[in-house]
Amino acid sequence: NAGVTQTPKFQVLKTGQSMTLQCAQDMNHNSMYWYRQDPGMGLRLIYYSASEGTTDKGEVPNGYNVSRLNKREFSLRLESAAPSQTSVYFCAILGGGPDGFFGPGTRLTVL
Amino acid sequence: GQSLEQPSEVTAVEGAIVQINCTYQTSGFYGLSWYQQHDGGAPTFLSYNALDGLEETGRFSSFLSRSDSYGYLLLQELQMKDSASYFCAVRSNDYKLSFGAGTTVTVRA
Repeated sequence: NAGVTQTPKFQVLKTGQSMTLQCAQDMNHNSMYWYRQDPGMGLRLIYYSASEGTTDKGEVPNGYNVSRLNKREFSLRLESAAPSQTSVYFCAILGGGPDGFFGPGTRLTVL
Repeated sequence: GQSLEQPSEVTAVEGAIVQINCTYQTSGFYGLSWYQQHDGGAPTFLSYNALDGLEETGRFSSFLSRSDSYGYLLLQELQMKDSASYFCAVRSNDYKLSFGAGTTVTVRA
């Protein structure tokens, strides 16, 4: 029972390259979230999916797209990476109860 | 939209009590959560309030006043391992979960 897994753990991109961050959960929770965290700052919501088949924008969606592939998986895509997207990306899940669970994070550097 | 305010940092000695306040603005309020994050790690869930009042979980307690759009996290009998960042997060009834900027708690011997 892994909880929430994220791949990759680390990634270095050049400006303009694209990539997809993967998130998968085995807790059967409905809601999934993508956050970014910059040094010394809080978690800013990029996109979220309240349930399978739905996605909604968060506070900082520009430059990102998401796909809720099925109940287990929620991916985040950067179509044309920019240095301003250098950050740590966390995937999180929330079920019927109040406790949310976070993945270990993806550390992304865009040169 | 949603906005949350909490102090940026707090310092206290071992064994002390620390209170971290959080004020929020949101539409469709559902509940207020608290998370802890150690350096380099992922946030972990601490406590949750959907109704007014105090919730106690061991050394940590959380309080909510919905009419004041205000809550706090109380850390008692501080230990060195409590040095971390603490985030309040507001959950709205459309399942959005938004976080404050975080409070860094430093525990001194």
